Amino acid sequence: GENVEQHPSTLSVQEGDSAVIKCTYSDSASNYFPWYKQELGKGPQLIIDIRSNVGEKKDQRIAVTLNKTAKHFSLHITETQPEDSAVYFCAASRGAGTALIFGKGTTLSVSS
Amino acid sequence: GAVVSQHPSRVICKSGTSVKIECRSLDFQATTMFWYRQFPKQSLMLMATSNEGSKATYEQGVEKDKFLINHASLTLSTLTVTSAHPEDSSFYICSATPGTSGGNEQFFGPGTRLTVL
Repeated sequence: GENVEQHPSTLSVQEGDSAVIKCTYSDSASNYFPWYKQELGKGPQLIIDIRSNVGEKKDQRIAVTLNKTAKHFSLHITETQPEDSAVYFCAASRGAGTALIFGKGTTLSVSS
Repeated sequence: GAVVSQHPSRVICKSGTSVKIECRSLDFQATTMFWYRQFPKQSLMLMATSNEGSKATYEQGVEKDKFLINHASLTLSTLTVTSAHPEDSSFYICSATPGTSGGNEQFFGPGTRLTVL
């Protein structure tokens, strides 16, 4: 089955710096790669996603890149702010109606 | 974006009792709903996949007789933890997807914190 590895497990940056979180997946049939932000005691919130027919997607300060050949995808957050502090999860699935397999998460701390 | 609700948000129960958690998609029809469990400082672990009108598909190691899932309509799925024990204490989160008609996105509920005494 699918296995998703996520690194780093913790990441501390200064406000205004960029943060990069990387994930690799094992199932070549996976074609959907979302990123979720989870704050303490809350459910995960979808922040950006990418499909396998696209190499990069950007939404304001957040961008995701996908390398299908290498089976890895990354989340990039620019101009980080303290409110970006949370746990971020990458995930992979085979498409509509199929389950997401999550990475272990990255705790991002942005200090002002 | 699509909204998924869960009820209750937290529940405390005695060992041996049963607890029902509801998951509702508020503004879309969910052909598929998923149930996850999350222990402190860990990732989300898929428990089961629930399709409307059919039996749930459970992940390996998840007891289907202990975690009863019902997906009676396109907007409601329920998870019942039967004969709960302290080791069942966890954060239970559901997600819903419009499925093939609406794309791949999964939208998560706010979670239910279960504490079994």
